[in-house]
Amino acid sequence: GAGVSQSPSNKVTEKGKDVELRCDPISGHTALYWYRQSLGQGLEFLIYFQGNSAPDKSGLPSDRFSAERTGGSVSTLTIQRTQQEDSAVYLCASSRLGTSGILGPDTQYFGPGTRLTVL
Amino acid sequence: AQTVTQSQPEMSVQEAETVTLSCTYDTSENNYYLFWYKQPPSRQMILVIRQEAYKQQNATENRFSVNFQKAAKSFSLKISDSQLGDTAMYFCAFMKLGANSKLTFGKGITLSVRP
Repeated sequence: GAGVSQSPSNKVTEKGKDVELRCDPISGHTALYWYRQSLGQGLEFLIYFQGNSAPDKSGLPSDRFSAERTGGSVSTLTIQRTQQEDSAVYLCASSRLGTSGILGPDTQYFGPGTRLTVL
Repeated sequence: AQTVTQSQPEMSVQEAETVTLSCTYDTSENNYYLFWYKQPPSRQMILVIRQEAYKQQNATENRFSVNFQKAAKSFSLKISDSQLGDTAMYFCAFMKLGANSKLTFGKGITLSVRP
């Protein structure tokens, strides 16, 4: 079946503009994660969705960042009034359950990411 | 909170040789999972190998194996018979048990395989 898809693949915007990044998870996956990959910073967790709810938003760097998920499927990450430090690759991942137990981890499947460049 | 450290930013290896990538982590958890992910220039994250903390036996997947030292909180990846297609960034990652299986990643290492 289809994997995780993200759009756009690349986005160039001007400082101060708003951007929306989209993630289409694997069908049937209840959990969805957003990560940010910045130069020299590795991958940082942003937000976790279980269904349409976001029980963990602890990684969102400022109130300019928000995300939503509708229908337990597609998620949109919105960055308002973009700054140059927001330039990064934004990765989305989905997993079947969102919960890992002693019997095995809930494996995450990643999309190809959106490269955001803020001029 | 968990932290994952990859102290080597870059490594290079000759094709067909063996290379070891280092990773250390810090946690107060007793049970958890550890992963190595590969990210080629296409940006697609690929799961290479995983290790359950409660298993003493080191995980292996074909040419990839780990050296898991729980007491030392060390989790290194050994790539045998390196191939040109192994050229990529490699990330070490930690996952707690329980609800919210978010991953905590190290900063990654860029591996170059020379022909």
